[in-house]
Amino acid sequence: DVKVTQSSRYLVKRTGEKVFLECVQDMDHENMFWYRQDPGLGLRLIYFSYDVKMKEKGDIPEGYSVSREKKERFSLILESASTNQTSMYLCASRPDGTYEQYFGPGTRLTVT
Amino acid sequence: AQKITQTQPGMFVQEKEAVTLDCTYDTSDQSYGLFWYKQPSSGEMIFLIYQGSYDEQNATEGRYSLNFQKARKSANLVISASQLGDSAMYFCAMREAVFGNQFYFGTGTSLTVIP
Repeated sequence: DVKVTQSSRYLVKRTGEKVFLECVQDMDHENMFWYRQDPGLGLRLIYFSYDVKMKEKGDIPEGYSVSREKKERFSLILESASTNQTSMYLCASRPDGTYEQYFGPGTRLTVT
Repeated sequence: AQKITQTQPGMFVQEKEAVTLDCTYDTSDQSYGLFWYKQPSSGEMIFLIYQGSYDEQNATEGRYSLNFQKARKSANLVISASQLGDSAMYFCAMREAVFGNQFYFGTGTSLTVIP
């Protein structure tokens, strides 16, 4: 079974803190994604990566950065967390040549 | 313009009945894929069904079927014989092949199955 894990299910941070959300997949997938999910807005793509050290902006990259130093790990970084970044963050991965994305369990981030 | 539109924020269905969740999409690409995901209250996103733009037959996976009407740009999910465990949020999504990894999701429909 494909497994996508995220470092925390729940996270509470203060405004201005630097926040790291980690995602690891164990199936050697080339592509990895970070989404945020907000009520009434669905899932919105923040960044994706199609290879180690390669990244592309999604629809809402402002205020976020990403890092992919190893194929299995994709990190989302909030350089200076703000209250409007309180959200559910979902990581996903997908192997080349297929259409299905595999999602992690999500991290519910609260910025106070 | 919204790429994916789900106009039903909430739906109710009697157990064992069928239910249709609506989804319309907007793209100028000829090659694209359409997806439905289920998200139970636990939060994980579960892939249900996929339809490619060139697939002539409607996709089916067990009790799930996708009613694909290309000219109308609609991709409705039909769940037959609803079960209590079907209560969840359902998201329609589209992948435009040109961009490969760019997926667009709708705002979701909350389905409640009534015993």
